[in-house]
Amino acid sequence: AAGVIQSPRHLIKEKRETATLKCYPIPRHDTVYWYQQGPGQDPQFLISFYEKMQSDKGSIPDRFSAQQFSDYHSELNMSSLELGDSALYFCASSQGGTNEKLFFGSGTQLSVL
Amino acid sequence: AQSVAQPEDQVNVAEGNPLTVKCTYSVSGNPYLFWYVQYPNRGLQFLLKYITGDNLVKGSYGFEAEFNKSQTSFHLKKPSALVSDSALYFCAVNEAGTALIFGKGTTLSVSS
Repeated sequence: AAGVIQSPRHLIKEKRETATLKCYPIPRHDTVYWYQQGPGQDPQFLISFYEKMQSDKGSIPDRFSAQQFSDYHSELNMSSLELGDSALYFCASSQGGTNEKLFFGSGTQLSVL
Repeated sequence: AQSVAQPEDQVNVAEGNPLTVKCTYSVSGNPYLFWYVQYPNRGLQFLLKYITGDNLVKGSYGFEAEFNKSQTSFHLKKPSALVSDSALYFCAVNEAGTALIFGKGTTLSVSS
């Protein structure tokens, strides 16, 4: 069965650079969530989208932005990267705007040097 | 504000023994409770959820969890642990329409 696809798997950037992370939800899933998981930390909710509209916002820095496209894939854009942005970024998808059962991707490991 | 606590950073059990991973929560309304498991370099995998109904919820891989409203707990249990159960376990909570809030995680180590 198709799962949530995230790309790239690994990304290395330098401070002050920009990065774009992509998330392709499970087919027919219309809801996407982004989470950030620092080393040894629990996942922190960043932002979510339902039917291409932002549905909820968590601890996403102003330097980050995200959107969901017509095919329901989502992109997380990160600018002016800082060392503290180094983390595993997870995307999760669900259907119908609910989060009763989320399917997570394997994540993008971002390293900021 | 909703929150979830996992009081143990690590739980060690011998293979074949029962295991319990603890979780307590705090929400203002009716809680939706979840357990997720994370293997190294992998995404979170859904184990089970409690929305309403029976307090004992059965999930994947033989895991179950008991919702206790009076103690605001949702402990994860398995009657007989396997070495392959060794992983990082996250309890999560939310109220309807809000994002999931995760606990800090508990590392389960099952020895052979």
